[in-house]
Amino acid sequence: KAGVTQTPRYLIKTRGQQVTLSCSPISGHRSVSWYQQTPGQGLQFLFEYFSETQRNKGNFPGRFSGRQFSNSRSEMNVSTLELGDSALYLCASSWTEGASALHFGNGTRLTVT
Amino acid sequence: QKEVEQNSGPLSVPEGAIASLNCTYSDRGSQSFFWYRQYSGKSPELIMSIYSNGDKEDGRFTAQLNKASQYVSLLIRDSQPSDSATYLCAVFTGGGNKLTFGTGTQLKVEL
Repeated sequence: KAGVTQTPRYLIKTRGQQVTLSCSPISGHRSVSWYQQTPGQGLQFLFEYFSETQRNKGNFPGRFSGRQFSNSRSEMNVSTLELGDSALYLCASSWTEGASALHFGNGTRLTVT
Repeated sequence: QKEVEQNSGPLSVPEGAIASLNCTYSDRGSQSFFWYRQYSGKSPELIMSIYSNGDKEDGRFTAQLNKASQYVSLLIRDSQPSDSATYLCAVFTGGGNKLTFGTGTQLKVEL
């Protein structure tokens, strides 16, 4: 069974640009969550999608947005990039929303210069 | 007060010893608790989940939950160098409907 797949693995962008990250969950998993990981803050919750609907959102500015498609694949978009957006972005899937164990992808390393 | 707190470490234990990792949480309504292991440069992987008070054992790992004291711990018996990693405690709060992670404890198992 294939795991959670995130693309691309690495991205280098400049300030002011926008970026789109992609996540394909484990087959059969309908919930996708996104996290930002930095050395200082650890794992910070961005948002969760279930059945194409955003179920929960973390404390991030509106520049961070996402969506989920009917096949449960998800994308995350960050507009007007700032240096502080440099981080590892992790996608995780679970079979349902709520109190369910997460399975993480390998992440996308975003560097903003 | 942070929602989920862990000692950042590093926690150093000799090979073969028991490693004890601790985590406290602030939301008394928390329902589900998880331990993830993260090797350097890799993504977190789930190693244990616990939902009710008491102990849950899986191989060399034992998770312990005490809801009255709002703490959850992970014991690793017969620690191996391959156990050297950062261990993340995660707590699911029904009210917030999200999984909140601690900042992790770095474990070093020394030969």
